[in-house]
Amino acid sequence: QLQLQESGPGLVKPSETLSLTCSVSEGSIKNVSYYWSWIRQPPGKGLEWLGSIYYSGSAHYNPSLKSRVTLSIDTSKNQFSLRLNSVTASDTSTYYCARRSVMFPAMFDSWGHGTLVIVSS
Amino acid sequence: QSALTQPASVSGSPGQSITVSCSGADGDASVPLYVSWYQQHPGKAPKLLIYDVTKRPSGVSNRFSGSKSVYAASLTIAGLQAEDEADYYCVSHKGTTTLFGTGTAVTVL
Repeated sequence: QLQLQESGPGLVKPSETLSLTCSVSEGSIKNVSYYWSWIRQPPGKGLEWLGSIYYSGSAHYNPSLKSRVTLSIDTSKNQFSLRLNSVTASDTSTYYCARRSVMFPAMFDSWGHGTLVIVSS
Repeated sequence: QSALTQPASVSGSPGQSITVSCSGADGDASVPLYVSWYQQHPGKAPKLLIYDVTKRPSGVSNRFSGSKSVYAASLTIAGLQAEDEADYYCVSHKGTTTLFGTGTAVTVL
């Protein structure tokens, strides 16, 4: 069964760049049927889609964050990554990576456990 | 980017059926497309319940069902159980953008 695991610093200073990696196991990130996505959830609040990337490197971003978000993918390592620059306290969230269907684009069928990132000096 | 609109909370007694609605974001009168539904228990990752409005992944209880009208998409939970107490989110996709709902807290009385 596909597994996703987020990794990265749990604490980031304001104005710096948040960087997270999602490692995919028990399945190939080059599967043509899926995009690979990042979703976040501030403490006690709802879920927010950040962006999705295909194995080819083609990426789509949340328009409200587009200027600050960059997704990348490394098919040789079966990993994909998130960079969010110029962070503020409002970027404090649990960050999830997830697999999204190409055919059913609102379908996230596998999720990582999530990693809490706190933005604080 | 606005979120899809869901009721903040819905409650019901064990054995009852409840419905959670999901309508367009502010200013969008159209019914969301490609709707999926997710269940999230505290401290856990969301779990897919319904995709493409009505389809249920294998392993998901048939007590969960999805539908759509001209006004909104909906998730119905039949035979409410204590374990159904959780937050529920709808998700839609349009063009290249994915949108989550505001979330609904379901309480089992």
